[in-house]
Amino acid sequence: DGGITQSPKYLFRKEGQNVTLSCEQNLNHDAMYWYRQDPGQGLRLIYYSQIVNDFQKGDIAEGYSVSREKKESFPLTVTSAQKNPTAFYLCASRIYWDATSTLFFGSGTQLSVL
Amino acid sequence: GQNIDQPTEMTATEGAIVQINCTYQTSGFNGLFWYQQHAGEAPTFLSYNVLDGLEEKGRFSSFLSRSKGYSYLLLKELQMKDSASYLCAVRDQNYNQGGKLIFGQGTELSVKP
Repeated sequence: DGGITQSPKYLFRKEGQNVTLSCEQNLNHDAMYWYRQDPGQGLRLIYYSQIVNDFQKGDIAEGYSVSREKKESFPLTVTSAQKNPTAFYLCASRIYWDATSTLFFGSGTQLSVL
Repeated sequence: GQNIDQPTEMTATEGAIVQINCTYQTSGFNGLFWYQQHAGEAPTFLSYNVLDGLEEKGRFSSFLSRSKGYSYLLLKELQMKDSASYLCAVRDQNYNQGGKLIFGQGTELSVKP
């Protein structure tokens, strides 16, 4: 079955620690995205990537980093510089060249601070 | 600026019809999407509008008026499982920004027996 897999489902971060959220897709999609979701707020774009070895900052990139070494993978690192990391993180992908294409989402990672 | 507005919460009765409105002001427009999201789960695609008018898909319909910057999602014959958050999202026209989606805050719909 094709889809997007995020892991882990739940993650806890200690103060001063960097943590990495995994996102893997087997849909052969070129574009991948990371969104953050806080209660009562819409999804906000952190980073996105249109092709391998290239990525762009979204609206709230400070305190986060990404890499895109393979088409299938787009991991997100939440660094110690991100002072309020507690949120639900969603990874998504789509067919980049098709303007009508929707986003396909992973099942999300809930990150909490210890 | 970019702004998408939806009501925060709505309540409706099982078997009834409910309309969830969305208004938007964005620098570009290349389509409007509606997603359904159950708590703690991934959003799932419901509908896409790029031209004015009504798109019907089973119990769900979506309407778009580009001149008014307005859309609505219509849910008919409500079922308890329709209790969820409904997200309105607009695709920016600027492909240099990856065709990203700008999301509203979501409307939490509660369906009562």
